Amino acid sequence: DTGVSQDPRHKITKRGQNVTFRCDPISEHNRLYWYRQTLGQGPEFLTYFQNEAQLEKSRLLSDRFSAERPKGSFSTLEIQRTEQGDSAMYLCASSLAISPGTEAFFGQGTRLTVV
Amino acid sequence: AQSVTQPDIHITVSEGASLELRCNYSYGATPYLFWYVQSPGQGLQLLLKYFSGDTLVQGIKGFEAEFKRSQSSFNLRKPSVHWSDAAEYFCAVGPLGTDKLIFGTGTRLQVFP
Repeated sequence: DTGVSQDPRHKITKRGQNVTFRCDPISEHNRLYWYRQTLGQGPEFLTYFQNEAQLEKSRLLSDRFSAERPKGSFSTLEIQRTEQGDSAMYLCASSLAISPGTEAFFGQGTRLTVV
Repeated sequence: AQSVTQPDIHITVSEGASLELRCNYSYGATPYLFWYVQSPGQGLQLLLKYFSGDTLVQGIKGFEAEFKRSQSSFNLRKPSVHWSDAAEYFCAVGPLGTDKLIFGTGTRLQVFP
């Protein structure tokens, strides 16, 4: 197992375009999280899944953002009609939620630049 | 509102010196507390965590942290810093009843030889 994998690592897109990121969690991890990290800030929670169910969404997640985890394994995060303010590092994490506060393992992130 | 404060944006120490990174949180009850490290091009790595019990917790890479309820603090320490410790350090809280993390803004550690 190579840990949490995110693809692509970098994405440059023009404003108004749609982008999709993929996250492959650690095998058998039932929880998957998405965070966003802007320059000089800590990661901010966006949403999380337990298996295929999306259990919580942050108010940061506008209606242009959608996340899926169709089979409870990998997840995708799509941003429609990108704006310059969407430029950030998008981090995925996974955990095996057997008890509260279980350690989350993070991927290396996808860096999005909107020009 | 729940929040995490890391008052030091940037810290510079000499290799071999001791280190203390500060973290204060605001929350109604004692949350789960974490320290993560982020090296350039790397994902966030958990250094240590506190849930309950002994207020001094040991982590990886020789780090430790002390939970002080009266001060709502969870400061990270290392007795002797190595050049490879240069990175960004994030304190995070996990509010009870949720599995999301609330991160501080981070402290960038620079180590001089």
